[in-house]
Amino acid sequence: NAGVTQTPKFQVLKTGQSMTLQCAQDMNHNSMYWYRQDPGMGLRLIYYSASEGTTDKGEVPNGYNVSRLNKREFSLRLESAAPSQTSVYFCASSGWAGIGGYTFGSGTRLTVV
Amino acid sequence: SQQGEEDPQALSIQEGENATMNCSYKTSINNLQWYRQNSGRGLVHLILIRSNEREKHSGRLRVTLDTSKKSSSLLITASRAADTASYFCATDASQGAQKLVFGQGTRLTINP
Repeated sequence: NAGVTQTPKFQVLKTGQSMTLQCAQDMNHNSMYWYRQDPGMGLRLIYYSASEGTTDKGEVPNGYNVSRLNKREFSLRLESAAPSQTSVYFCASSGWAGIGGYTFGSGTRLTVV
Repeated sequence: SQQGEEDPQALSIQEGENATMNCSYKTSINNLQWYRQNSGRGLVHLILIRSNEREKHSGRLRVTLDTSKKSSSLLITASRAADTASYFCATDASQGAQKLVFGQGTRLTINP
C-alpha cells in the first residue's frame, strides 16, 4: 500500500527549463493537492483538484499548471522555471470531507539555478 | 496568507516531559488538524478535531479546540526522542472541497 507517490525526489533545473512533477495515489481519494514548502513559510497551496476532471487555483498558482489525468494522477508543470520556484513540493490526497486528513507524498526537492 | 500561527516556533524539552504547542487562527473553521513532519520527509496526519468538538485524544496526543478564542493546543505526554519533528496545525475553512491552510510549524526537539 504505497499511499501517495511522487517523482522525481530531486531535480535541478536551469532557469527557463520546463518540467513536470508526477503524483499518483492508490487510496481511491477524490481530492488531490500540490503544495510548496519554503523555509519559515509553512506549506502553501499551489493548485488542487476536488475531483476527477476539476482543478482550481490555490494561494500561489503563478508559474504553474496542473493536470488531473485520472482519479489516481495529478501532475504539476513548470513551463519556464525561475529561481523563485526553488522549493520542496508536496503532493497530497484526501477522501470525502477530508475524513482521515490528508495523505502526503515524500516530496520533490527542486532547485532552479 | 497563513491562517494558523503556531507558538512557540521552537521548543526543546527533556525526554519524558510533556510538550505543548499552540495554534491560533483567524476565521471560522470546519475542522482543525495537526500534522508531524520529520526532517526531509512528508507530513503525517496526527489528529483532526471538528469545530463542534472541544477535546480529542489519540494515544499520547491530546488536542483541544476553543472556537471562541480561535485557538487550539496539541499536548504530547511522556515525550520520546522519536517525537523530535516539526508539528503543523492546519485549518479547513472552505465551502465545498476541503482546502487546508497550514501554519508555519513548531520545531520540537526532545533531548535524551
